[in-house]
This record gives sequence, C-alpha cells and structure tokens, in this order.
Amino acid sequence: GAVVSQHPSWVICKSGTSVKIECRSLDFQATTMFWYRQFPKQSLMLMATSNEGSKATYEQGVEKDKFLINHASLTLSTLTVTSAHPEDSSFYICSALQGAGGAADTQYFGPGTRLTVL
Amino acid sequence: AQKITQTQPGMFVQEKEAVTLDCTYDTSDPSYGLFWYKQPSSGEMIFLIYQGSYDQQNATEGRYSLNFQKARKSANLVISASQLGDSAMYFCAMREGLGNTGKLIFGQGTTLQVKP
Repeated sequence: GAVVSQHPSWVICKSGTSVKIECRSLDFQATTMFWYRQFPKQSLMLMATSNEGSKATYEQGVEKDKFLINHASLTLSTLTVTSAHPEDSSFYICSALQGAGGAADTQYFGPGTRLTVL
Repeated sequence: AQKITQTQPGMFVQEKEAVTLDCTYDTSDPSYGLFWYKQPSSGEMIFLIYQGSYDQQNATEGRYSLNFQKARKSANLVISASQLGDSAMYFCAMREGLGNTGKLIFGQGTTLQVKP
C-alpha cells in the first residue's frame, strides 16, 4: 500500500507554545488529506479536511484558529496547534486520500503524533 | 443516528482460530465503500480490506475476508487462522459516494485479543 509519513512521532511542549505536525504522502500525490484526533481506546475524530491549494474544511466544533492547516503541495499538509494547552494533549493522525474521493478510493494513514502539553 | 456501528467493544480468540468482527452501516446512498482498518498499539492505522457497494463478490485479502450482506447492511470482517500479531483495535469505516468529500465515517472500534 501507499506510504504516508508523519513528523514528529511524539512531542512534549509547554503550555502556550505552538506545535507543527507534518504529514507527507511519500509515493503518491494527494489532493486531499485529513487530520484526525484520537483519545485512548476511542475512535478517530475527524478534525478537518485539507485540500491542496485551498482552505481547509473544519468539522463542527473544531476551532480553525487553534488548529491551523496548510496544504501547500500535493505531498505535504501541516497541522499547527497554536497556543497549546494540556487539553490539546492527544494522538493526532493524518491520512492522505489516494484518488479523487470516489467511494473506492483509499485513505492511507500516517503513524500518528502523540502530543503532550505540560 | 450512528452510520457505522461496531457492537463488540472487545473480543477474544484463540490462536489459529477464525474470528468475526461485526459491522453494520446505515446509508441511503446507492454508491458507497466499506473499509476495515487495523490499529495496533503503536497507533498506526493499517488498511486491510475494501468492499464496494456494487461488488458482487465478497472481498478477500489473504487471511482477511469481508462478509458483505447488503440487504442487512452488514460488512463483517473475518480473520482466519488468527495470529498473536492480530491483537489490535479494528475499525470499520464507510465512505458515501455521492456528493462526497472523500471523508470516512468510522465505527467505535473493536479490540481483538488473540490468546496463545
């Protein structure tokens, strides 16, 4: 299957600082990428859809000023958690869509980033 | 209403035996795709198998097969000859085809533990 990388794999930061997470599709171009958040033993919660060259589409309840998404190229999307607080501590996972978004197109996931805010 | 339902929070299976993980879905879209992903303790989501709504045959990928019952709106994952490495959380997901944005809707997940 296709490969998606995510960096960093874990990060610890102080409250009030900003953290940037990168998501790259390594062997295919991805017009669309997705950012998820996952709490322990729970399902993935979609935060936003990242579209190359346009603004991200955020899910209801997700603060767009808090979670900045940039999809500057067909292989890279970034999520910046601004002014992070302890409640932002979570496991963040990105995925890249291989295809145009038809029913059969597969999302390939990155390995995730564990964020801990002290 | 839940669009994807996984009713088994946890399952146990003996090594080398087969196990079925349940998934039911709800959609009025005639075109949709169903996916299963595996998430080991490392956290990475691994794509396992795909079934399209128009596919006539059940999907199979190695030891994984999907028991697709369209009328019942179920898409159960069958893992044959379980291995210790199959211990993980498993998610069923659906993408609706019409007017879609490529988004996947995930179920709550089932934690599978394989006993030696």
